[in-house]
Amino acid sequence: EVQLVESGGGLVQPGGSLRLSCAASGFTFSSYWMHWVRQAPGKGLVWVSRIKSDGSSTTYADSVKGRFTIARDNAKNTLSLQMISLRVEDTAVYYCARDVGGDSDSWGRGTLVTVSS
Amino acid sequence: QSVLTQPPSASGTPGQRVTISCSGSSSNIGSRYVHWYQQLPGTAPKLLMYRNNQRPSGVPDRFSGSKSGTSASLAISGLRSEDEADYYCAAWDDSLSGVVFGGGTKLTVL
Repeated sequence: EVQLVESGGGLVQPGGSLRLSCAASGFTFSSYWMHWVRQAPGKGLVWVSRIKSDGSSTTYADSVKGRFTIARDNAKNTLSLQMISLRVEDTAVYYCARDVGGDSDSWGRGTLVTVSS
Repeated sequence: QSVLTQPPSASGTPGQRVTISCSGSSSNIGSRYVHWYQQLPGTAPKLLMYRNNQRPSGVPDRFSGSKSGTSASLAISGLRSEDEADYYCAAWDDSLSGVVFGGGTKLTVL
């Protein structure tokens, strides 16, 4: 069974940093593009970033470029999102997702990040 | 505002057929596949349709998707109470080099 389990969310002050992790199991992690998608409370889905299966290529939404860094460790089946210079508008549930829009699309349950003073 | 445009709400009675539209541009829907997600209250999004009209295994054939030009639509026939959820369209955008989503449509089963 495919499992994606996010962790690392919490309360952080504006300007602070946080590192999210996503533990993957039940599939060959190193074969898939992986994504982060976020959803502010009561709002819609917003794509954040993606990383190629071997980690050689990354893409970011303009709203997080230069502040967020996506990475993966295929030996440990782990995806991460390093977030710095956090803003109030970064408050959201962050979902880890496999192969967004593909026939192997699968999402975790998400982890909540709250940016507030 | 979202790159893809969806109506904020839709509704129908049990057994009816409802359609949710999604409008984009040449850099996304016009040149790329459209995907649809269903998000039940308090849960993660679930893929409902990929590559315009392909259903993942387990998705009932009551759900169907179509695309024409820079617009797409999701149709749900034989509406059931358990279909009450938020529905999102998505596509890759060549200009933004990223995935774009619609703002979501809240479906109410009356």
